[in-house]
Amino acid sequence: GENVEQHPSTLSVQEGDSAVIKCTYSDSASNYFPWYKQELGKRPQLIIDIRSNVGEKKDQRIAVTLNKTAKHFSLHITETQPEDSAVYFCAASGGDTPLVFGKGTRLSVIA
Amino acid sequence: EAQVTQNPRYLITVTGKKLTVTCSQNMNHEYMSWYRQDPGLGLRQIYYSMNVEVTDKGDVPEGYKVSRKEKRNFPLILESPSPNQTSLYFCASSLVRDSYEQYFGPGTRLTVT
Repeated sequence: GENVEQHPSTLSVQEGDSAVIKCTYSDSASNYFPWYKQELGKRPQLIIDIRSNVGEKKDQRIAVTLNKTAKHFSLHITETQPEDSAVYFCAASGGDTPLVFGKGTRLSVIA
Repeated sequence: EAQVTQNPRYLITVTGKKLTVTCSQNMNHEYMSWYRQDPGLGLRQIYYSMNVEVTDKGDVPEGYKVSRKEKRNFPLILESPSPNQTSLYFCASSLVRDSYEQYFGPGTRLTVT
């Protein structure tokens, strides 16, 4: 089955700097790659997703890149703000494989 | 308002006492699933359902049961809870399969003593 590895597990950045979180997946049939943000005490919420027919997708300060050959995808957050502090989860699914999540990255943005 | 609801939100129980956590969605979604969240382990899928009367095991199904008799409801049943099932549980739904946005419920924090 699918296996999703996520790095780093914790990340601290200064406000205004960029943050990058990387994930790798094992199943070449996976074709959907979402990112979820979970604030403290809250439920996970989708922030951006990408499908395998696209290499990059941007939404304001957030972007996701996908390299299908290498089987990895990354989340990029630019001009970080304190409200970006949260746990971020990557995930992968496709074909007959249900959605599998990475273990999460705790991002702290220091003001 | 489109939403996924779970009840109860918090539950403390004892080993062996059967319990049910309810999940309901009002978005007419076909796909529903249950996850447990443990520190350092992320979100792990317990069971999922593609539609009414169609359920399948996820990554960690042992000790759990589910049913999908109606499209909107997907209860999680622990027939004989054990302390290793102490966790934060999330129900989620999506339009079709899981290759679309998952809408999560607010979570149920379960403690089994």
